[in-house]
Amino acid sequence: QKEVEQNSGPLSVPEGAIASLNCTYSDRGSQSFFWYRQYSGKSPELIMFIYSNGDKEDGRFTAQLNKASQYVSLLIRDSQPSDSATYLCAVNIAAGNKLTFGGGTRVLVKP
Amino acid sequence: ETGVTQSPTHLIKTRGQQVTLRCSSQSGHNTVSWYQQALGQGPQFIFQYYREEENGRGNFPPRFSGLQFPNYSSELNVNALELDDSALYLCASRPPGTSGRAPLSSTDTQYFGPGTRLTVL
Repeated sequence: QKEVEQNSGPLSVPEGAIASLNCTYSDRGSQSFFWYRQYSGKSPELIMFIYSNGDKEDGRFTAQLNKASQYVSLLIRDSQPSDSATYLCAVNIAAGNKLTFGGGTRVLVKP
Repeated sequence: ETGVTQSPTHLIKTRGQQVTLRCSSQSGHNTVSWYQQALGQGPQFIFQYYREEENGRGNFPPRFSGLQFPNYSSELNVNALELDDSALYLCASRPPGTSGRAPLSSTDTQYFGPGTRLTVL
């Protein structure tokens, strides 16, 4: 079992719709969770981080964390073609520790 | 822009050669991590440096080594290059803060540089 798992996609959504991305992790000791966006050929760009159970909203993005079920999700509202990218879920098991990444979910937003 | 810079942008080497990649962290960030990202995969942690000492390492062989300098810039050295070493190498810096201590804060957030694309022929 991989430490951090994501559906590789592609997840195809029409412009203006909600894109829903999921990520599961295996280590119950995981403490902090990050979503990065990566355009082709570019480096990962931080979108959101979340530490506590529940929802965290930032603009069109909402991160949801459920530690009991060991999953974290990302919702992208009003999806735009510029949101087309690979979204990486990353988990930090202990404060100050390494980031463990999932394989990423490719999102395609069609006009 | 994250303020993290890396050089060179692209590099082509042949099998068996050695390579040095460089990273300048964001101002004030004293922790630097290196990641390897093969095509179509998520980044894999290589190692982390804090105050010029290695304080965490992933599943990479000893031919992957690093340094951190007093100004917190860092180098990644790879000896005896293999074809599978072809990848995007990412440097990430993190502000001072927890470095292993609780509670959590936004200082756990890592900011990535643009990466170095290494091709081994």
